Amino acid sequence: QQQVKQSPQSLIVQKGGISIINCAYENTAFDYFPWYQQFPGKGPALLIAIRPDVSEKKEGRFTISFNKSAKQFSLHIMDSQPGDSATYFCAAGPRDDKIIFGKGTRLHILP
Amino acid sequence: NAGVTQTPKFRVLKTGQSMTLLCAQDMNHEYMYWYRQDPGMGLRLIHYSVGEGTTAKGEVPDGYNVSRLKKQNFLLGLESAAPSQTSVYFCASSYVGGTEAFFGQGTRLTVV
Repeated sequence: QQQVKQSPQSLIVQKGGISIINCAYENTAFDYFPWYQQFPGKGPALLIAIRPDVSEKKEGRFTISFNKSAKQFSLHIMDSQPGDSATYFCAAGPRDDKIIFGKGTRLHILP
Repeated sequence: NAGVTQTPKFRVLKTGQSMTLLCAQDMNHEYMYWYRQDPGMGLRLIHYSVGEGTTAKGEVPDGYNVSRLKKQNFLLGLESAAPSQTSVYFCASSYVGGTEAFFGQGTRLTVV
């Protein structure tokens, strides 16, 4: 049973455009929703995270939008750059001391 | 601080061989995790530990064993490697279970 569904699987965006990745979760007990960024050959690294008491969190060009009633959250990358090309994972937790990851989105920014 | 360190970074095994992957963290974290990453499958949890001397099964534990004899180390063992275990393995640790996790650089394992 996949508790965190992520879409799309892959995404191509022009330089300067907005990249949007969506996630949906099932367990209403989750209260921590992070996004991880992974470059080829590297481990995932925390990019930005949100708690359900706020609807939006912004850090530089990266914004999480959170819709508690719809059980959905999304990552927006403004003014996307080629250096943003990576795999992005959404996640939700905790559940039994674990984080549940989405399957990832491969983002490619065209120069 | 080194954070989370995995050794080795690359390894090729023959079917049936055994090996141990080592994960070491220097952040005094209680929680440690082993994941495998395969194309299109995301990060799948193999085993995890909520403290020294404890281990628990994750989503895909078959064919793997783990030990957490010291708080800073979490070992993943393959007793009899199979081609299906060809993957990239990541270790992670966190201060509080199910919150911010810090990942190692990964171990790319090929079983032939």
